[in-house]
Amino acid sequence: GAVVSQHPSWVICKSGTSVKIECRSLDFQATTMFWYRQFPKQSLMLMATSNEGSKATYEQGVEKDKFLINHASLTLSTLTVTSAHPEDSSFYICSVPGSGDNEQFFGPGTRLTVL
Amino acid sequence: AQKITQTQPGMFVQEKEAVTLDCTYDTSDQSYGLFWYKQPSSGEMIFLIYQGSYDEQNATEGRYSLNFQKARKSANLVISASQLGDSAMYFCAMREGLDSSYKLIFGSGTRLLVRP
Repeated sequence: GAVVSQHPSWVICKSGTSVKIECRSLDFQATTMFWYRQFPKQSLMLMATSNEGSKATYEQGVEKDKFLINHASLTLSTLTVTSAHPEDSSFYICSVPGSGDNEQFFGPGTRLTVL
Repeated sequence: AQKITQTQPGMFVQEKEAVTLDCTYDTSDQSYGLFWYKQPSSGEMIFLIYQGSYDEQNATEGRYSLNFQKARKSANLVISASQLGDSAMYFCAMREGLDSSYKLIFGSGTRLLVRP
């Protein structure tokens, strides 16, 4: 299956700063990627669908101006958490759909801690 | 709107025994896919098993099987011969439509603890 990487794997930042998280599909071209957020002991909540060459589709309640998504190529999507605050501390995971109907490849996740 | 429900926040099972993790779903679509993932403490999402809405046979993958009851809208995961390494969070997920580019929605998860 496809290999998906995320960078960084963890990041600690000060409140008010912006943090960029990268999601790369290493061996598979992806016109679509998904971004999820997972708070401790909770489930994965879909934030947005990243579309290559066009605007991302955000889920209800997700602030598009705070969580900027850019999908500039078929192998890279970035999520930028702007003006991060402690409540943005979470585990962010991306996924890439494969060609088979049962294929959905997840990145290893990025743990963000905002002080 | 689609919805996935996992009613068991935590489960215990004795090593080598079988365990069933419950999952019910709600959708008005005829075409959909159901997934189970395992998430150990490392956070990685490990794909376990998939069932398409038109699949007549229950899916099986090694020690994992999916008890698909379409009329009841349930998709329970059965793990046979539990191992200590099975201790983890387990998530049921659904995708409306059969195209892999459609989004997955996850249930709240079940934490499984395997006792030696």
